[in-house]
Amino acid sequence: EIVLTQSPGTLSLSPGERATLSCRASQSVSSNFLAWYQQKPGQAPRLLIYSAYSRATGVPDKFSGSGSGTDFTLTISRLEPEDFAVYFCQHYVNSPRQYTFGQGTKLQIK
Amino acid sequence: EVQLEQSGAEVKKSGESLKISCKASGYSFSSYWIGWVRQMPGKGLEWMAIIYPDDSDARYSPSFQGHVTISADKSINTVYLQWSTLKVSDTAIYYCVRSKSWFDSWGQGTLVTVSS
Repeated sequence: EIVLTQSPGTLSLSPGERATLSCRASQSVSSNFLAWYQQKPGQAPRLLIYSAYSRATGVPDKFSGSGSGTDFTLTISRLEPEDFAVYFCQHYVNSPRQYTFGQGTKLQIK
Repeated sequence: EVQLEQSGAEVKKSGESLKISCKASGYSFSSYWIGWVRQMPGKGLEWMAIIYPDDSDARYSPSFQGHVTISADKSINTVYLQWSTLKVSDTAIYYCVRSKSWFDSWGQGTLVTVSS
């Protein structure tokens, strides 16, 4: 079973700064099946990035994904107040079909 | 536009049964896997189960296998999640999700509260 570990658990930054969130897999995974989600308080999660670096429809280009193998990164440039939320990474395995989430990183205003 | 409309909040007692639903619209229901994700209070996301409505092929997370049942009715574009015996620890928000290898659409969530 693949385990995804996100770091840091909480990240405190100021508006205008750049955020770098990490997602590390317990074994090498296909970047085709790595996604990132944003969840704001009281809302359902929203897909941001799929296949490690492809932005979902409507996601602004200040969000970018990168990485391969066991280490993946979500970068948010020029933080705005609406970007402060919890971010989850997720991986999919086809055989058997299984989906795994990281534990999340809370991005909070400093 | 893809929409996943979930049934309303539920308040139940431990030991009771429950079935919640998710009605899909805006796409070919039978052509995508659709499933459920749990979020316990103040916690992260956990994938529970998923089904392919065209043939009702269902898959479960080992953590939830045997405790919940997923089903689908493709005649009304609806997927269900049911419990035969609820526990207090089932208190959570349950999200309906459409899946490719990632979850590209989410329902609004159904809050299930189970008391002793």
